[in-house]
Amino acid sequence: SYVLTQPPSVSVAPGKTARLTCGGDNIGSKSVHWYQQKPGQAPVVVVYYDSDRPSGIPERFSGSNSGNTATLTISRVEAGDEADYYCQVCYTSRDLVFGGGTKLTVL
Amino acid sequence: QVQLVESGGGLVKPGGSLRLSCAASGFTFSDYYMSWIRQAPGKGLECISYISTSSTNTNYADSVKGRFTISRDNAENSLYLQMSSLRAEDTAVYYCARVGGSGSYKYFDLWGQGTLVTVSS
Repeated sequence: SYVLTQPPSVSVAPGKTARLTCGGDNIGSKSVHWYQQKPGQAPVVVVYYDSDRPSGIPERFSGSNSGNTATLTISRVEAGDEADYYCQVCYTSRDLVFGGGTKLTVL
Repeated sequence: QVQLVESGGGLVKPGGSLRLSCAASGFTFSDYYMSWIRQAPGKGLECISYISTSSTNTNYADSVKGRFTISRDNAENSLYLQMSSLRAEDTAVYYCARVGGSGSYKYFDLWGQGTLVTVSS
């Protein structure tokens, strides 16, 4: 199996930059996807293939992936960005896993 | 519009069975792998199963293997999850999700609103 490690919580002030990490063994060799889940709602993909953004996702959301850490960066954080964020990878052609999630709090 | 709508959740006793359905609309259902992902109360996400476009390939998480069966009807644009021998730990919101990408690049680009399954006596 494969384990993805995310910090349980991250706090950031409005207008600042939030960096959410996702750790895994040689994760830089895999494709990482990020999901945002607001309370009571289904998850929504915000970044896929490490750094691509679906249509409708603000440019403030960006992703990077290298070595043993992938990072979701949210610039100019807004109150509406407060949510749980999950990373996900396929570690084989058949098997995939989610990280445990990070709760982003906007102070 | 492009959407997935789950149904079939509810309260079931341990050892019981339940069948979830997911109705797809707004896209060519038969072109996509589909999946079921669950989230226990206050917990993270777990992909429990996915199925290929023509149903020839299926995959299950160890936690449900042998108890759950995924299937699809492309003519009806529908995805199903037959759940049996249910346990308390199966209590969760069950999401239907469309799979984007393929092989080692799978991700979930469209989600339903979820249906709650509660396993309790």
